[in-house]
Amino acid sequence: DIQLTQSPSFLSASVGDRVTITCRASQGISSYLAWYQQKPGKAPKLLIYAASTLQSGVPSRFSGSGSGTEFTLTISSLQPEDFATYYCQQLNSYPIAFGQGTRLEIK
Amino acid sequence: EVQLVQSGAEVKKPGATVKISCKVSGYTFTDYYMHWVQQAPGKGLEWMGLVDPEDGETIYAEKFQGRVTITADTSTDTAYMELSSLRSEDTAVYYCATDLGTIASGGEYYFDYWGQGTLVTVSS
Repeated sequence: DIQLTQSPSFLSASVGDRVTITCRASQGISSYLAWYQQKPGKAPKLLIYAASTLQSGVPSRFSGSGSGTEFTLTISSLQPEDFATYYCQQLNSYPIAFGQGTRLEIK
Repeated sequence: EVQLVQSGAEVKKPGATVKISCKVSGYTFTDYYMHWVQQAPGKGLEWMGLVDPEDGETIYAEKFQGRVTITADTSTDTAYMELSSLRSEDTAVYYCATDLGTIASGGEYYFDYWGQGTLVTVSS
């Protein structure tokens, strides 16, 4: 099975900061990676798919990059509504798997 | 507007079976795979499996194989997830989620629209 490891697991940042979250796959997954945002008590929301394609309606301050085994999610200028937990997800092979999550909190 | 509305919270005893529903509206039910995802309290997301609503074909994660059954009723545009032999570790919120891509295109296996989640508590 493919394992996804996110870093950091916890991130404290301020409004306006640029932040980057990394997701590493235990083996190559081409560009078969997505990023989700989840707020407490809510379902996850798809932000980015195919490693770098912005889902419709998602603000352009979110961007994704990478291929193979290393991927990044970047938020260019943090807004108050961005404080949440972020998950990466691979779909290169079964079982579909998620990273452990990165909790982004206000400094 | 696409909506996935799940059934309400459940409390079950160990060894019991739970069946959760997910009623969809706003799109053609049979055009997209339906996935189910588990999230234990304070934990991450775990994919359980999917169903092709058109023909009922399923794929299950090995972790849940033998205990999970995912079905689809095209007469009511409703998907179901049944989990048997419940144990305390199954206490979690369960989500249904539609695939981003159509089945005709092979599916995308990204999760686009999500239900609101159903909390299942397993306790004696």
